[in-house]
Amino acid sequence: GENVEQHPSTLSVQEGDSAVIKCTYSDSASNYFPWYKQELGKRPQLIIDIRSNVGEKKDQRIAVTLNKTAKHFSLHITETQPEDSAVYFCAAGAGGTSYGKLTFGQGTILTVHP
Amino acid sequence: SAVISQKPSRDICQRGTSLTIQCQVDSQVTMMFWYRQQPGQSLTLIATANQGSEATYESGFVIDKFPISRPNLTFSTLTVSNLSPEDSSIYLCSVESGGGGYTFGSGTRLTVV
Repeated sequence: GENVEQHPSTLSVQEGDSAVIKCTYSDSASNYFPWYKQELGKRPQLIIDIRSNVGEKKDQRIAVTLNKTAKHFSLHITETQPEDSAVYFCAAGAGGTSYGKLTFGQGTILTVHP
Repeated sequence: SAVISQKPSRDICQRGTSLTIQCQVDSQVTMMFWYRQQPGQSLTLIATANQGSEATYESGFVIDKFPISRPNLTFSTLTVSNLSPEDSSIYLCSVESGGGGYTFGSGTRLTVV
């Protein structure tokens, strides 16, 4: 089955700096890569996603890049703010009989210091 | 996008008992997914629930321990049976939302004592 590795496990940055979180996946059939933000005691919230026919996607301060050949994808947050502090999870999903099933990375605790 | 109502939000249960968690979606969906999030950990898929057929379980999860019902296209239940302290986790349901992403219910925090 799919295996998703996420790094780093913790990330501490100063407000205004950029933050980068990286994930690798093992199953070449995976074609959907979402990123979730989870604040303490709350449900995971989808912040951005990318499909395998696209190399990069941006939404304001957030961007995701995908390298299918190397099987890795990254989340980039620019101009970080204290409210960006949360746990971030990457995930990988596939089609066919695995449609809709997401395999999650281990999570990254992001702390943005004012 | 789809809105999920999940309940209960939390419960404290005795060993050996069972807890049934409900998820109601505001639109019809083909598949509903159940995840477990152990304390301080990531999310792990338990099973996929399709209306009108048996749920499909992931490796390490069995129907006797996690029976699932899916009576219609907007509702599903997950039961966690014969509870032990190791079952203390957050359980979440998920469905495909508009635009192709997946949205989660608010979660059920289960504590087994």
